[in-house]
Amino acid sequence: EAQLVESGGGLVQPGRSLRLSCAASGFTFEDYAMHWVRQAPGRGLEWVAGLFWDGSNIDYADSVKGRFTISRDNAKSSLFLQMNSLRAEDTALYYCTKELRKWIGAFDVWGQGTMVTVSS
Amino acid sequence: EIVLTQSPDTLSLSPGERATLSCRAGQSLTNNQLAWYQQKPGQAPRLLIYGASSRATGIPDRFSGSASGTDFTLTISRLEPEDFAVYYCQQYDRSPKTFGQGTRLEIK
Repeated sequence: EAQLVESGGGLVQPGRSLRLSCAASGFTFEDYAMHWVRQAPGRGLEWVAGLFWDGSNIDYADSVKGRFTISRDNAKSSLFLQMNSLRAEDTALYYCTKELRKWIGAFDVWGQGTMVTVSS
Repeated sequence: EIVLTQSPDTLSLSPGERATLSCRAGQSLTNNQLAWYQQKPGQAPRLLIYGASSRATGIPDRFSGSASGTDFTLTISRLEPEDFAVYYCQQYDRSPKTFGQGTRLEIK
């Protein structure tokens, strides 16, 4: 069974950095595009960033462009999100997600999420 | 950015009734690249429908999706108690992969 487990969230002051990780299992990680999606408390879903199976075609939401960096390590079946210059509005539950298959960008597997709280 | 507008914001129905949820895209979507998700409190979203009308693995056949131009519909033919949740549509045709604001389906 495909599974994604996020880690690395926590309480951080505005302007500081945090690195999220996502450990994948139960599927061939290197065959799938991966993404981060976030959800602020009591709010809807917001796509954050994504990249292709080989690490190419990296893309970001405008709200995080220039501050966040998505990356992956296929050898370790892991996805990462480096978050710099954090702001209060980045406070959210961050989900790691997997695309259904190549060229079908619906997200069929989600982790349980890791909470990021940006506050002084 | 492709804006998705869901309606209604809240839908109040009883178990056994038919639910119709709408999602309108601000632009046409190539090959109807739209998905529907269900989210229950404290849980991650679950993929229901992709390609506007294809059910994801394990999704009951009471859930169906359809498309007409830029208008997309999720229909739940006969509501079960476990179907009361928030539903989101999402387009994956173009970046950024935007979501609708959600429709809350509540028990009447």
